[in-house]
Amino acid sequence: KNEVEQSPQNLTAQEGEFITINCSYSVGISALHWLQQHPGGGIVSLFMLSSGKKKHGRLIATINIQEKHSSLHITASHPRDSAVYICAVRFNTNAGKSTFGDGTTLTVKP
Amino acid sequence: DAMVIQNPRYQVTQFGKPVTLSCSQTLNHNVMYWYQQKSSQAPKLLFHYYDKDFNNEADTPDNFQSRRPNTSFCFLDIRSPGLGDAAMYLCATSIQGITEAFFGQGTRLTVV
Repeated sequence: KNEVEQSPQNLTAQEGEFITINCSYSVGISALHWLQQHPGGGIVSLFMLSSGKKKHGRLIATINIQEKHSSLHITASHPRDSAVYICAVRFNTNAGKSTFGDGTTLTVKP
Repeated sequence: DAMVIQNPRYQVTQFGKPVTLSCSQTLNHNVMYWYQQKSSQAPKLLFHYYDKDFNNEADTPDNFQSRRPNTSFCFLDIRSPGLGDAAMYLCATSIQGITEAFFGQGTRLTVV
């Protein structure tokens, strides 16, 4: 059983819509990464979080340590945002290694 | 400029013929990881190096080996590739416990 759960598994949106992707995990963590992977491509690290909120352009990532939950938001979504978004967690008990969620496939239609 | 470079981007190998994938980094990070990612699945950690210390995942097949001759380079050797080893292989680097992981573009391996 994956200790990192992402939702939704698939998401289709119209261009301009506000997108939210969720990640929940089971035990204490030292860091959480949001990653982006385009079809056939490598992985790009978007954010690393251990607390609070980070913003980069149209992307916002938040984490609630008490609730063991993180969200990735995309404002004013665009077709080029279409990709798989992966949550990767570094658990306190497994320092140095990340456990990946199964990913959320986002399709933004023009 | 690319900081984690994987070569080649695409590799085709014959069933049972040894193949080596390479990863290099310009970040001077002490940790390097190799992941295997099959279609529509999450990346799966095969092993990682913490400096020269090699750490193998318990379920990584013996068919997979790795070498790290220096800080900048790390190799993934597949001794006898099977059809089930066709996947994207991702290399990543980090500073232990400090920074996020930086990923290469991956090498897509096809076994024929």
